[in-house]
Amino acid sequence: NAGVTQTPKFQVLKTGQSMTLQCAQDMNHNSMYWYRQDPGMGLRLIYYSASEGTTDKGEVPNGYNVSRLNKREFSLRLESAAPSQTSVYFCASSGGGSNQPQHFGDGTRLSIL
Amino acid sequence: GNSVTQMEGPVTLSEEAFLTINCTYTATGYPSLFWYVQYPGEGLQLLLKATKADDKGSNKGFEATYRKETTSFHLEKGSVQVSDSAVYFCARTFSGNTPLVFGKGTRLSVIA
Repeated sequence: NAGVTQTPKFQVLKTGQSMTLQCAQDMNHNSMYWYRQDPGMGLRLIYYSASEGTTDKGEVPNGYNVSRLNKREFSLRLESAAPSQTSVYFCASSGGGSNQPQHFGDGTRLSIL
Repeated sequence: GNSVTQMEGPVTLSEEAFLTINCTYTATGYPSLFWYVQYPGEGLQLLLKATKADDKGSNKGFEATYRKETTSFHLEKGSVQVSDSAVYFCARTFSGNTPLVFGKGTRLSVIA
């Protein structure tokens, strides 16, 4: 019953530090996504990967990079963290197709000082 | 565009009250529509979905009907419980593997 697993759950960084958020899914899903959630802003898409070997920018990609390591794993990297990147980050996956829902992890709460 | 607009919160109701959370979407293409729920400290969970016009999604006493004529997908529940306190997100997709587009969320608080 693992579903989508995100690590770490919490992290505090200093401005300028780098960090990789990990995400893995065990549902054999083709598509994976990274969102950030900020108060009053809902969820905003950072990057997504429609299938293994492909990645595409979402609404707010600046300051982030992603890697679709294999079908299971999709990581999000902050090369030089900034206070504006303080947020809750959610990874999601889906099997593809317009009527397939996305399944979410429990989130990573990231604070940049 | 492919946007979703849902009513501003927070919404505070007494237990057993009737709930409506409005959601409208832009009429581009033939989207599938979803409601997600986020309990405190957790990720989003799918609550219900509808994939074509006039479909009704339902789960845990919640319902929403895909209304193409009004481009709406309002969430309703006849009698809310304290355990329904959460943030509710309306979302749409368009086709294939395009990511979901979410509304900004509506926080619901139910008091005993």
